Amino acid sequence: GENVEQHPSTLSVQEGDSAVIKCTYSDSASNYFPWYKQELGKGPQLIIDIRSNVGEKKDQRIAVTLNKTAKHFSLHITETQPEDSAVYFCAASDNNNDMRFGAGTRLTVKP
Amino acid sequence: NAGVTQTPKFQVLKTGQSMTLQCAQDMNHEYMSWYRQDPGMGLRLIHYSVGAGITDQGEVPNGYNVSRSTTEDFPLRLLSAAPSQTSVYFCASSYSRQGAMNTEAFFGQGTRLTVV
Repeated sequence: GENVEQHPSTLSVQEGDSAVIKCTYSDSASNYFPWYKQELGKGPQLIIDIRSNVGEKKDQRIAVTLNKTAKHFSLHITETQPEDSAVYFCAASDNNNDMRFGAGTRLTVKP
Repeated sequence: NAGVTQTPKFQVLKTGQSMTLQCAQDMNHEYMSWYRQDPGMGLRLIHYSVGAGITDQGEVPNGYNVSRSTTEDFPLRLLSAAPSQTSVYFCASSYSRQGAMNTEAFFGQGTRLTVV
């Protein structure tokens, strides 16, 4: 089955700096790669997703890149703000299997 | 529009007790699922349902039962609670199975369960 690894487990940045979180997956059939943000005491919420026919997707300060050959994808947050502090999860799935999540990255943005 | 509603938010059980975690969604989603979240392990799928009357096992199903009698409700039952089931449980729903239609999963706020 699919195995998703996520790095780093914790990340601390200064406000205004960029943050990058990386994930690798094992199943070459995976074709959908969402990223979820989980704030304290809440459930995960989708912030951006990418499909296997796209190499990069941007939404304001957030971008995701996908390298199908290397089987890895990354989340990029630019101009970080304190409200970006949360736990971020990557996930991967294909048409026949359910989503498998990475272990999560706790991002702290210092003011 | 309430989205996905889970109850209770917190629960303490004694070993061997049983209980049901409730999950309801009002978005007419076909696909519902239960995850457990443990430190350093992300979200792991317990059981899922692709529609009323249909359920299947996920990655970590042992010790849990589910049923799906209506589109809206998907309760998770712990038959005989064990300390290893101490975790945060999340219910999620989406229009269809994530991979098949690549649709967003909406999560409830979670139930923090402690088994002593």
